[in-house]
Amino acid sequence: DAKTTQPTSMDCAEGRAANLPCNHSTISGNEYVYWYRQIHSQGPQYIIHGLKNNETNEMASLIITEDRKSSTLILPHATLRDTAVYYCIVRVAARQLTFGSGTQLTVLP
Amino acid sequence: GAGVSQSPRYKVAKRGQDVALRCDPISGHVSLFWYQQALGQGPEFLTYFQNEAQLDKSGLPSDRFFAERPEGSVSTLKIQRTQQEDSAVYLCASSFQIQETQYFGPGTRLLVL
Repeated sequence: DAKTTQPTSMDCAEGRAANLPCNHSTISGNEYVYWYRQIHSQGPQYIIHGLKNNETNEMASLIITEDRKSSTLILPHATLRDTAVYYCIVRVAARQLTFGSGTQLTVLP
Repeated sequence: GAGVSQSPRYKVAKRGQDVALRCDPISGHVSLFWYQQALGQGPEFLTYFQNEAQLDKSGLPSDRFFAERPEGSVSTLKIQRTQQEDSAVYLCASSFQIQETQYFGPGTRLLVL
Protein backbone atom coordinates (compact mmCIF):
# COMPACT_ATOMS: atom_id res chain seq x y z
CA ASP A 1 0.00 0.00 0.00
CA ALA A 2 1.16 3.55 -0.73
CA LYS A 3 2.78 5.48 2.09
CA THR A 4 1.02 8.56 3.44
CA THR A 5 2.45 11.70 4.99
CA GLN A 6 0.51 13.72 7.55
CA PRO A 7 1.46 16.59 9.87
CA THR A 8 2.23 15.40 13.37
CA SER A 9 -0.18 17.79 15.05
CA MET A 10 -2.72 20.54 14.37
CA ASP A 11 -4.89 22.85 16.44
CA CYS A 12 -8.32 24.11 15.54
CA ALA A 13 -10.69 26.52 17.28
CA GLU A 14 -14.01 25.08 18.40
CA GLY A 15 -16.75 25.79 15.87
CA ARG A 16 -14.34 26.35 13.01
CA ALA A 17 -13.62 23.97 10.17
CA ALA A 18 -10.73 21.58 10.68
CA ASN A 19 -8.82 20.78 7.50
CA LEU A 20 -6.47 17.81 7.81
CA PRO A 21 -4.08 17.26 4.89
CA CYS A 22 -2.59 14.00 3.67
CA ASN A 23 -0.02 13.36 0.96
CA HIS A 24 -0.03 10.04 -0.90
CA SER A 25 2.04 10.79 -3.97
CA THR A 26 2.67 7.13 -4.86
CA ILE A 27 -0.98 6.07 -4.78
CA SER A 28 -2.05 3.55 -7.40
CA GLY A 29 -5.21 3.65 -9.45
CA ASN A 30 -6.93 0.91 -7.47
CA GLU A 31 -6.11 2.27 -4.01
CA TYR A 32 -8.72 3.95 -1.86
CA VAL A 33 -8.12 6.78 0.61
CA TYR A 34 -9.54 5.97 4.06
CA TRP A 35 -9.74 8.17 7.13
CA TYR A 36 -10.08 6.86 10.66
CA ARG A 37 -9.74 8.63 13.96
CA GLN A 38 -8.83 7.38 17.39
CA ILE A 39 -9.99 9.14 20.51
CA HIS A 40 -7.85 8.44 23.55
CA SER A 41 -8.27 4.89 24.90
CA GLN A 42 -10.80 3.91 22.23
CA GLY A 43 -10.59 1.81 19.08
CA PRO A 44 -10.20 3.52 15.71
CA GLN A 45 -13.43 4.95 14.33
CA TYR A 46 -14.18 4.93 10.61
CA ILE A 47 -14.86 8.40 9.19
CA ILE A 48 -14.98 8.30 5.41
CA HIS A 49 -13.30 6.90 2.32
CA GLY A 50 -13.07 7.62 -1.39
CA LEU A 51 -11.41 6.57 -4.64
CA LYS A 52 -11.50 9.55 -7.01
CA ASN A 53 -14.47 11.72 -6.29
CA ASN A 54 -15.03 13.96 -3.32
CA GLU A 55 -17.19 12.37 -0.65
CA THR A 56 -19.37 13.72 2.14
CA ASN A 57 -21.19 12.05 4.99
CA GLU A 58 -22.63 13.12 8.31
CA MET A 59 -19.21 13.27 9.92
CA ALA A 60 -16.94 14.87 7.37
CA SER A 61 -16.01 15.68 3.79
CA LEU A 62 -13.14 14.18 1.84
CA ILE A 63 -11.53 16.20 -0.92
CA ILE A 64 -9.19 14.26 -3.25
CA THR A 65 -7.07 16.18 -5.74
CA GLU A 66 -7.51 15.40 -9.42
CA ASP A 67 -4.12 13.67 -9.61
CA ARG A 68 -5.02 11.76 -6.41
CA LYS A 69 -1.65 12.53 -4.88
CA SER A 70 -3.14 14.29 -1.88
CA SER A 71 -6.39 14.66 0.02
CA THR A 72 -7.96 16.75 2.76
CA LEU A 73 -10.36 15.67 5.45
CA ILE A 74 -12.71 18.46 6.48
CA LEU A 75 -14.62 18.54 9.75
CA PRO A 76 -17.00 21.45 9.06
CA HIS A 77 -17.67 22.58 12.64
CA ALA A 78 -15.11 21.10 15.01
CA THR A 79 -16.14 20.38 18.60
CA LEU A 80 -14.05 19.46 21.63
CA ARG A 81 -15.11 15.84 21.09
CA ASP A 82 -13.31 15.84 17.76
CA THR A 83 -9.95 15.96 19.54
CA ALA A 84 -8.26 12.73 18.42
CA VAL A 85 -5.52 11.21 16.29
CA TYR A 86 -6.60 11.18 12.65
CA TYR A 87 -5.18 8.52 10.35
CA CYS A 88 -5.07 8.80 6.58
CA ILE A 89 -4.69 5.33 5.04
CA VAL A 90 -4.28 4.30 1.43
CA ARG A 91 -5.59 0.82 0.90
CA VAL A 92 -6.08 -1.65 -1.89
CA ALA A 93 -9.44 -3.36 -1.49
CA ALA A 94 -9.16 -6.82 0.05
CA ARG A 95 -6.18 -5.88 2.18
CA GLN A 96 -5.59 -5.00 5.78
CA LEU A 97 -5.23 -1.38 6.90
CA THR A 98 -1.70 0.01 7.26
CA PHE A 99 -1.70 2.83 9.79
CA GLY A 100 0.96 5.53 9.98
CA SER A 101 1.51 7.91 12.87
CA GLY A 102 -1.49 10.11 12.10
CA THR A 103 -2.22 13.73 13.00
CA GLN A 104 -3.06 14.71 16.56
CA LEU A 105 -5.89 17.21 16.19
CA THR A 106 -6.58 19.32 19.24
CA VAL A 107 -9.76 21.39 19.23
CA LEU A 108 -9.36 24.41 21.45
CA PRO A 109 -12.22 26.08 23.35
CA GLY B 1 -24.87 -6.74 17.81
CA ALA B 2 -24.46 -3.00 17.61
CA GLY B 3 -20.70 -3.11 17.18
CA VAL B 4 -17.55 -5.11 17.67
CA SER B 5 -17.02 -6.10 21.28
CA GLN B 6 -13.85 -7.29 22.96
CA SER B 7 -13.15 -8.84 26.31
CA PRO B 8 -11.57 -8.40 28.68
CA ARG B 9 -11.02 -4.66 28.30
CA TYR B 10 -7.96 -4.81 30.54
CA LYS B 11 -5.67 -7.71 31.35
CA VAL B 12 -2.66 -7.81 33.63
CA ALA B 13 -0.48 -10.89 33.27
CA LYS B 14 2.71 -12.02 34.88
CA ARG B 15 5.56 -12.74 32.50
CA GLY B 16 5.29 -16.32 31.32
CA GLN B 17 1.51 -16.60 31.70
CA ASP B 18 -0.76 -17.50 28.82
CA VAL B 19 -3.59 -15.09 27.95
CA ALA B 20 -6.68 -15.32 25.74
CA LEU B 21 -8.37 -12.29 24.25
CA ARG B 22 -11.86 -12.52 22.79
CA CYS B 23 -13.48 -10.67 19.89
CA ASP B 24 -17.18 -10.68 18.98
CA PRO B 25 -17.56 -9.21 15.49
CA ILE B 26 -20.58 -7.44 14.10
CA SER B 27 -23.23 -10.03 13.27
CA GLY B 28 -22.96 -11.21 9.69
CA HIS B 29 -19.46 -9.89 9.13
CA VAL B 30 -17.41 -12.46 7.30
CA SER B 31 -13.97 -10.88 7.68
CA LEU B 32 -12.18 -10.41 11.00
CA PHE B 33 -8.85 -8.75 11.65
CA TRP B 34 -6.54 -8.50 14.65
CA TYR B 35 -4.19 -5.56 15.15
CA GLN B 36 -1.62 -4.71 17.82
CA GLN B 37 -1.08 -1.13 18.97
CA ALA B 38 1.99 -0.24 21.00
CA LEU B 39 1.93 2.90 23.12
CA GLY B 40 2.11 6.03 21.00
CA GLN B 41 2.00 4.20 17.68
CA GLY B 42 -0.61 3.33 15.09
CA PRO B 43 -2.18 -0.14 15.00
CA GLU B 44 -0.25 -2.87 13.19
CA PHE B 45 -1.82 -5.83 11.41
CA LEU B 46 -1.49 -9.25 12.99
CA THR B 47 -3.81 -11.68 11.24
CA TYR B 48 -7.01 -11.99 9.19
CA PHE B 49 -9.88 -14.48 8.92
CA GLN B 50 -12.45 -15.03 6.22
CA ASN B 51 -15.17 -17.00 8.01
CA GLU B 52 -13.26 -19.70 9.92
CA ALA B 53 -10.26 -19.71 7.59
CA GLN B 54 -7.15 -17.86 8.68
CA LEU B 55 -5.96 -16.50 5.36
CA ASP B 56 -3.11 -14.27 6.48
CA LYS B 57 -1.04 -14.50 9.64
CA SER B 58 1.98 -12.66 8.34
CA GLY B 59 1.84 -10.03 11.08
CA LEU B 60 2.00 -12.37 14.06
CA PRO B 61 5.27 -11.44 15.80
CA SER B 62 6.21 -14.93 16.99
CA ASP B 63 4.95 -18.49 17.30
CA ARG B 64 3.74 -17.60 20.78
CA PHE B 65 0.82 -15.80 19.12
CA PHE B 66 -2.07 -17.93 17.93
CA ALA B 67 -5.53 -16.92 16.69
CA GLU B 68 -8.60 -18.96 15.92
CA ARG B 69 -12.17 -18.48 14.74
CA PRO B 70 -13.56 -22.03 14.76
CA GLU B 71 -17.17 -21.28 13.86
CA GLY B 72 -16.60 -18.22 11.73
CA SER B 73 -17.92 -15.79 14.31
CA VAL B 74 -16.16 -15.22 17.65
CA SER B 75 -12.38 -15.12 17.50
CA THR B 76 -9.76 -15.65 20.17
CA LEU B 77 -6.20 -14.34 20.13
CA LYS B 78 -3.98 -16.38 22.40
CA ILE B 79 -0.53 -15.38 23.56
CA GLN B 80 1.57 -18.05 25.20
CA ARG B 81 4.36 -17.41 27.68
CA THR B 82 3.76 -13.65 27.64
CA GLN B 83 6.74 -11.29 27.58
CA GLN B 84 6.94 -7.65 28.59
CA GLU B 85 7.21 -6.61 24.95
CA ASP B 86 3.73 -8.08 24.39
CA SER B 87 2.26 -5.20 26.43
CA ALA B 88 0.01 -3.33 24.01
CA VAL B 89 -3.59 -2.73 23.02
CA TYR B 90 -4.99 -5.56 20.92
CA LEU B 91 -7.67 -4.41 18.51
CA CYS B 92 -10.19 -6.48 16.61
CA ALA B 93 -11.99 -5.25 13.50
CA SER B 94 -14.64 -6.82 11.31
CA SER B 95 -16.08 -6.13 7.88
CA PHE B 96 -18.94 -7.57 5.83
CA GLN B 97 -16.43 -8.72 3.25
CA ILE B 98 -12.67 -8.15 3.13
CA GLN B 99 -12.94 -5.28 0.66
CA GLU B 100 -15.52 -3.46 2.77
CA THR B 101 -14.97 -0.94 5.54
CA GLN B 102 -13.50 -2.31 8.76
CA TYR B 103 -15.13 -1.45 12.08
CA PHE B 104 -13.07 -1.67 15.23
CA GLY B 105 -13.79 -2.79 18.75
CA PRO B 106 -12.61 -0.90 21.84
CA GLY B 107 -9.52 -3.05 22.24
CA THR B 108 -8.00 -5.08 25.07
CA ARG B 109 -5.18 -3.38 26.94
CA LEU B 110 -2.64 -6.02 27.95
CA LEU B 111 0.02 -5.27 30.54
CA VAL B 112 2.67 -7.89 31.16
CA LEU B 113 4.61 -7.45 34.38
